[in-house]
Amino acid sequence: GENVEQHPSTLSVQEGDSAVIKCTYSDSASNYFPWYKQELGKRPQLIIDIRSNVGEKKDQRIAVTLNKTAKHFSLHITETQPEDSAVYFCAASKTGTASKLTFGTGTRLQVTL
Amino acid sequence: DVKVTQSSRYLVKRTGEKVFLECVQDMDHENMFWYRQDPGLGLRLIYFSYDVKMKEKGDIPEGYSVSREKKERFSLILESASTNQTSMYLCASSSPGQAEAFFGQGTRLTVV
Repeated sequence: GENVEQHPSTLSVQEGDSAVIKCTYSDSASNYFPWYKQELGKRPQLIIDIRSNVGEKKDQRIAVTLNKTAKHFSLHITETQPEDSAVYFCAASKTGTASKLTFGTGTRLQVTL
Repeated sequence: DVKVTQSSRYLVKRTGEKVFLECVQDMDHENMFWYRQDPGLGLRLIYFSYDVKMKEKGDIPEGYSVSREKKERFSLILESASTNQTSMYLCASSSPGQAEAFFGQGTRLTVV
């Protein structure tokens, strides 16, 4: 089955700096790669996703890049703000019937003032 | 707005009890999932269902079973609760075409 590895497990940055979280996956058939943000005491929520036919996707301060050959994808947050502090999870899946998401172990991001 | 609702936020059960965790979604999603969340281990899939009465084992199904009698409802059953099942349980749903998973608010289960 699919295996997703995520690094680092914790990340501390100063407000205004950039943050990068990296994930690798094992199943070359995976074609959907979402990122979820989980604030303390809340449910995970999708912040950005990318499909395998695209190499990069951007949404304001958040971007995701995908390297299918190397089987890794990354989340980039620019101009970090205190409200970016949360746990971030990457995931991978194959779309279609019975599709299931396999998650990484999470990155706790702390944005300090 | 998609709503995935779990029946309890907090539960305390005794070792050996049979425990039911309920999840309901209102978006007519075919897929429903139960994940377990533990610090440092991320979200691990216990079971999922892609249709009524259909179920498939995830990565950690031991000690759990599920039931999906109606499309909108997916239940997780702990046949005989044990202390190592103390955890946060998250339900999610998705449709095959869109793939995005929507999560419930979670149930923090403590087995004493």
